[in-house]
Amino acid sequence: NAGVTQTPKFRVLKTGQSMTLLCAQDMNHEYMYWYRQDPGMGLRLIHYSVGEGTTAKGEVPDGYNVSRLKKQNFLLGLESAAPSQTSVYFCASSYRDNFYGYTFGSGTRLTVV
Amino acid sequence: AQSVSQHNHHVILSEAASLELGCNYSYGGTVNLFWYVQYPGQHLQLLLKYFSGDPLVKGIKGFEAEFIKSKFSFNLRKPSVQWSDTAEYFCAVNAGLYNQGGKLIFGQGTELSVKP
Repeated sequence: NAGVTQTPKFRVLKTGQSMTLLCAQDMNHEYMYWYRQDPGMGLRLIHYSVGEGTTAKGEVPDGYNVSRLKKQNFLLGLESAAPSQTSVYFCASSYRDNFYGYTFGSGTRLTVV
Repeated sequence: AQSVSQHNHHVILSEAASLELGCNYSYGGTVNLFWYVQYPGQHLQLLLKYFSGDPLVKGIKGFEAEFIKSKFSFNLRKPSVQWSDTAEYFCAVNAGLYNQGGKLIFGQGTELSVKP
């Protein structure tokens, strides 16, 4: 089925470890986004990309890096995980005009201990 | 900076009751508005959206929302809720033409619990 695929779905990290979350979409969307979801805070934008090879900071970018080497993939990296990064991470993608809204992935639940 | 406020954090209703969830945003220009729903353990799904035209928009599953520009509001309504509507609801806004990257700003979410 067409859509947005996130891997992994669950992960437990120790403080200081690094990891990469992968987001892949097969809808030829130009724009891609990484959000984190925390209770009572809604979704907050971490980084986004408006096209292959481009990235930009969102609302809460500190402690994260991203890359978009291919149009269909958007990677989110945590260089040195901290307990404050325990969250559910959602990737989303959209067409340039966003007329159809976002298509979301199923999320990655990350726990940093 | 844009912001979105959802004043109801948790709403509890009985089946067949009417629903209205508030959403206010802060931006003076052209906006596109969205309501998303997140069922337990699932990702967000689009309920409805407003881009232009009729300020009363209808979405899936009997939901509708009214855009009132003068009040900077986009409230979500449903005449009669069902137990299956139990979910978290998010309002989101982007600043239309002038918002590069199509970024959506989300509200804090409203958790709706419907008692059977």
